[in-house]
Formats: sequence, C-alpha cells, structure tokens
Amino acid sequence: KQEVTQIPAALSVPEGENLVLNCSFTDSAIYNLQWFRQDPGKGLTSLLLIQSSQREQTSGRLNASLDKSSGRSTLYIAASQPGDSATYLCAVLTQGGSEKLVFGKGTKLTVNP
Amino acid sequence: EPEVTQTPSHQVTQMGQEVILRCVPISNHLYFYWYRQILGQKVEFLVSFYNNEISEKSEIFDDQFSVERPDGSNFTLKIRSTKLEDSAMYFCASSGVWDTQYFGPGTRLTVL
Repeated sequence: KQEVTQIPAALSVPEGENLVLNCSFTDSAIYNLQWFRQDPGKGLTSLLLIQSSQREQTSGRLNASLDKSSGRSTLYIAASQPGDSATYLCAVLTQGGSEKLVFGKGTKLTVNP
Repeated sequence: EPEVTQTPSHQVTQMGQEVILRCVPISNHLYFYWYRQILGQKVEFLVSFYNNEISEKSEIFDDQFSVERPDGSNFTLKIRSTKLEDSAMYFCASSGVWDTQYFGPGTRLTVL
C-alpha cells in the first residue's frame, strides 16, 4: 500500500530565503507525482506534475525533482515571498492501473515579511 | 483558463439527511474523481469515474455513496444518509488520460 510522507510538517522562513520541501513515498512504482498548493479553507492548485521518466520540472520560482528509485521528491522554492505562504501537498499516482492520487499530509509554509 | 467548479461551497445538513454535491469538470476531460479531506487530515480518494461508470472506489465509498453524470457537464456525489463523520471538505477533480488532475474549490459539508 502506497504511503506518502512529507517533512517538515511546518516551516517558517524570512522573505527572500530559498527553501526545500521534501516528499517520500514507499512504493517506487509510480506513474507520476504532483505538487499542489492549498490555501486555508480552499481547494488544491496544481503546481507541477513530474512523470516517472522525468527527473525535474520547473515553473517560475518552483523546481520539483524526482528520484523514483529512492522514493523521493523535493520542491525547491526560490526567493520566497509572503504570498507563497500556504500548505504544499505532494501526491503520487501509483502504477498498476489505479487512478487514485495518494496524498501526503503536507508542509505548512509561512514566509515572514 | 478552464477550471473545475463545485456547488455549493458550504452545505449544512442534519444527520440522516441526503445531500448531493455538484461538480462541473473541465469540458474535454475524460476522468472524474471525488476526494475528501477531514479537517486536519490527508486528502483521501473516494471514487473515480470513466466512460459513465465507476472505474475505481476506495473502502470509504460504501453503499451510502453514489456518483452520477446526469448530463454532459455535471458530475454529482450523493450521500444517502449522512453521518457526523461525513463532515469534511469534498473535492471534485478531473483529468485527461494519466494526466494532471485538476481540483475544484471544494464543498465544505457539515453534518449536525
């Protein structure tokens, strides 16, 4: 059974700092991995999708990497801003025909001005 | 930019009542999903729907739950007899084939 873990659970940084959020998964046979952003009481905004054959994806100040064999992904946020404050969720789609995303519990990021 | 929409944004109901949560997926998507998030917990998969039938469901999705695509645009989740533990945020999502899943803003269900 796929399990997704995100470390740390919460992170507080000053504005302008570069930071890394971590995600690990127990079954390395994944089809893809998605990073989402969730603002309090709101829906999930898809940030990046990495296919299992890819090593990384970039969008603006965000860079996500994937090491499938070790069951890890990282989300790098450059030059953090107060508007980046949110919970960041990692989710994997496991191979074998399942269509369900399995989510981690998220990392709550606070960027202080 | 196309987006998934959900109504209502907040639903309050009494225990034992039926509720229907509504979603309009992105128009050219083929797969539709319902997930839920109990306060403070992980987002959990409930069900996926493809080609007008359920393609996968979780252990949570028991006989009190049902899904339907009543027309070409709406996708609904019905809970027949709500329980206190059904209180959660319910998210609808849609996707193409093995592609990014796009989520709606959610319906907050409160069962009293």
